[in-house]
Amino acid sequence: GNSVTQMEGPVTLSEEAFLTINCTYTATGYPSLFWYVQYPGEGLQLLLKATKADDKGSNKGFEATYRKETTSFHLEKGSVQVSDSAVYFCALSPSGGYNKLIFGAGTRLAVHP
Amino acid sequence: GAGVSQSPSNKVTEKGKDVELRCDPISGHTALYWYRQSLGQGLEFLIYFQGNSAPDKSGLPSDRFSAERTGGSVSTLTIQRTQQEDSAVYLCASSSINIRGTRYAETQYFGPGTRLLVL
Repeated sequence: GNSVTQMEGPVTLSEEAFLTINCTYTATGYPSLFWYVQYPGEGLQLLLKATKADDKGSNKGFEATYRKETTSFHLEKGSVQVSDSAVYFCALSPSGGYNKLIFGAGTRLAVHP
Repeated sequence: GAGVSQSPSNKVTEKGKDVELRCDPISGHTALYWYRQSLGQGLEFLIYFQGNSAPDKSGLPSDRFSAERTGGSVSTLTIQRTQQEDSAVYLCASSSINIRGTRYAETQYFGPGTRLLVL
């Protein structure tokens, strides 16, 4: 079946530190991969996505590369800010077009000044 | 508005009562999804509507849960005889059609959610 595993949090970093949140997936075929972010008190927002192997999604300084050989989609940012404090969800959508999202458990990030 | 809207934003009910949650998708989006976010289970898919096709109900946790989508737009999620374990945030999302026949999914846009508390 389809599933997503992401590193457990919370992740606590100082401002300007490097961030990696690991995400691996299990899926048949060629799923689309997503990172969603949930800021405190707000709804889920799409952060970035990648739809095929070796694609790199990027937004707001965050990047993730779709690695089929390692079935991974790790989220990275070179220099985090306090405003990046949020819960980050890795998700996949199975191949074949519009379909349900399967989410990881979420990773809480806390960035301190 | 331009985004997905949901109502009510908060709902407190007593065990055994029925509740209805409403979702207004983004105008022009024909795909609509319901998810549930709870402490114990994370984010779970519930049901998916696409145009006039039969909905994908594979995520509904029990027959107490049902959903309708009238006129291809507004959707209502109904929970009958609520239980305490139904307490969660219920999220609605919508997306456009993948008309190009590509294999990848269109981005889903989420509403703010309805926080349901069953006492």
